[in-house]
Amino acid sequence: GQQVMQIPQYQHVQEGEDFTTYCNSSTTLSNIQWYKQRPGGHPVFLIQLVKSGEVKKQKRLTFQFGEAKKNSSLHITATQTTDVGTYFCRGTSYDKVIFGPGTSLSVIP
Amino acid sequence: DVKVTQSSRYLVKRTGEKVFLECVQDMDHENMFWYRQDPGLGLRLIYFSYDVKMKEKGDIPEGYSVSREKKERFSLILESASTNQTSMYLCASSLNQGRGYTFGSGTRLTVV
Repeated sequence: GQQVMQIPQYQHVQEGEDFTTYCNSSTTLSNIQWYKQRPGGHPVFLIQLVKSGEVKKQKRLTFQFGEAKKNSSLHITATQTTDVGTYFCRGTSYDKVIFGPGTSLSVIP
Repeated sequence: DVKVTQSSRYLVKRTGEKVFLECVQDMDHENMFWYRQDPGLGLRLIYFSYDVKMKEKGDIPEGYSVSREKKERFSLILESASTNQTSMYLCASSLNQGRGYTFGSGTRLTVV
């Protein structure tokens, strides 16, 4: 069946280092969304990507959608302690929506 | 800002009890969803609804039912609670199928 995977599962970085999480789908996606969940909180919508090769930026966060629309990445430049949390991708394929398992980011001050 | 409100933050129920989890959104969203979130298993879709009185099974509907009598309210019902239904339950809504979800704060249900 359709799968959405994320790597890495966990990442520990020193404050100021960069961070990247990758989302990979077994099928072509019509769109991909990214969410952030702080510890003890609920997922919060960050962004949606629709077009092949699309790149969007939100301050220190850069989101990319692959040319084949089967993968995506979220890159954080110069992490801060406020970036701590779990980052989920959510892919839509043939009207089926699947959340990736998430990448948990820890930032060491 | 869209608000999705879940009636309880924490709930403890006994095995066999009928449990109602309520979710209300205030922005006239068409779509509403119930997920459960468990460590190592991520977010799993239980039921969803694209319109009033409409409901569709998600990936793990067994042991659950839902009700959507009004557009703003989507209720999740555990017919006979069991310990394996101990989990964090998250309600979400979206304007339509192409938009991001707004999640509620979640209900942490413990079945003893």
